Amino acid sequence: DTAVSQTPKYLVTQMGNDKSIKCEQNLGHDTMYWYKQDSKKFLKIMFSYNNKELIINETVPNRFSPKSPDKAHLNLHINSLELGDSAVYFCASSQTGPPMNTEAFFGQGTRLTVV
Amino acid sequence: GENVEQHPSTLSVQEGDSAVIKCTYSDSASNYFPWYKQELGKRPQLIIDIRSNVGEKKDQRIAVTLNKTAKHFSLHITETQPEDSAVYFCAATSMNRDDKIIFGKGTRLHILP
Repeated sequence: DTAVSQTPKYLVTQMGNDKSIKCEQNLGHDTMYWYKQDSKKFLKIMFSYNNKELIINETVPNRFSPKSPDKAHLNLHINSLELGDSAVYFCASSQTGPPMNTEAFFGQGTRLTVV
Repeated sequence: GENVEQHPSTLSVQEGDSAVIKCTYSDSASNYFPWYKQELGKRPQLIIDIRSNVGEKKDQRIAVTLNKTAKHFSLHITETQPEDSAVYFCAATSMNRDDKIIFGKGTRLHILP
């Protein structure tokens, strides 16, 4: 069983388009994340959702919007795509808060290429 | 907010030798420190973690140490093998509900034959 799955795996699109990446987890975790990994391999957090509430919103452009229909899903919508948005986007989930945190499980990543 | 610094950014070691990667964190409230390994084209995966009530943890060839006072934690890989070549990330997080997992910038480890 796949713990965290995201689709699509590859996404090639033109500048100015709007696209979505979907993510689902079957681990029963209460928190889901979106990370952006650039060409230098830095893993930068973009959003975090806890029980369907956006609890952090890093300084990402408002063209990026997370949408969580339920605890098991966190989708990422990107409007007006730009060349600089090209990267690998990882979805992840974990169980946070007391009594203890647990590890984050990552999806397989979505390689977004904007041309 | 939390800030995690990781060094070195690149590390080359001879096969069979040991590798050490070091991280520092800024938030004294952080209490969970996982290490992830990311192979080329793959997702990051947990290899070992340590909590703030423990100073050291070992799993076969991999060990992690934590110095809470200095806010340092390190990954030690002994008897390195070719399959250890990958990018390694340290991370830190706390028990706060609105906390996030903050990663270091990664260390690219090359095992030389």
